[in-house]
Amino acid sequence: DSGVTQTPKHLITATGQRVTLRCSPRSGDLSVYWYQQSLDQGLQFLIQYYNGEERAKGNILERFSAQQFPDLHSELNLSSLELGDSALYFCASSPRGGGGEQFFGPGTRLTVL
Amino acid sequence: QKEVEQDPGPLSVPEGAIVSLNCTYSNSAFQYFMWYRQYSRKGPELLMYTYSSGNKEDGRFTAQVDKSSKYISLFIRDSQPSDSATYLCAMSAGTGGFKTIFGAGTRLFVKA
Repeated sequence: DSGVTQTPKHLITATGQRVTLRCSPRSGDLSVYWYQQSLDQGLQFLIQYYNGEERAKGNILERFSAQQFPDLHSELNLSSLELGDSALYFCASSPRGGGGEQFFGPGTRLTVL
Repeated sequence: QKEVEQDPGPLSVPEGAIVSLNCTYSNSAFQYFMWYRQYSRKGPELLMYTYSSGNKEDGRFTAQVDKSSKYISLFIRDSQPSDSATYLCAMSAGTGGFKTIFGAGTRLFVKA
């Protein structure tokens, strides 16, 4: 157990809908990262927050947004969902602001029908 | 050319074999090098973490970083069936965008 929690574990929804994924980092970690993993794309970095502020951005679609709250938990919002958004979404946390090891949560499996 | 290249395998070895997993990269700014193990779409588990060049050993696992060749390796000694998983290399720079780039992952099967 990495100490990173993610909810929900599974999410099934329809195209065009909006969902929110939640992540709680390890105690003491200030950075939260979001990743998408689909069968044919590997692990893709979406976005990083450090102590409430956006630190780095990857291949995140405009339909997706995230934020980190004062208690350091983070939410990833996915809107206008498409079939191709079906994937595993992982959250990771790190004590650092940049570089170095990350500790992953168990993931949220999103299925868009 | 991808920033990080990793052979997806699959790699199949008998129990007890020494396994060698490798990644190459193109960005000379990378300073942090990690290896993760992922079981059947579970969350990746950090195995090894190395800063800059050199070797690091932890139990049956040894990580090597050769920055001059832009090449990193993970060795698994006395491999076990429980080592069967996908192994992901990852690396990031210490400054700038802080993006971590993952390799595609190598699927390893250890046969009993």
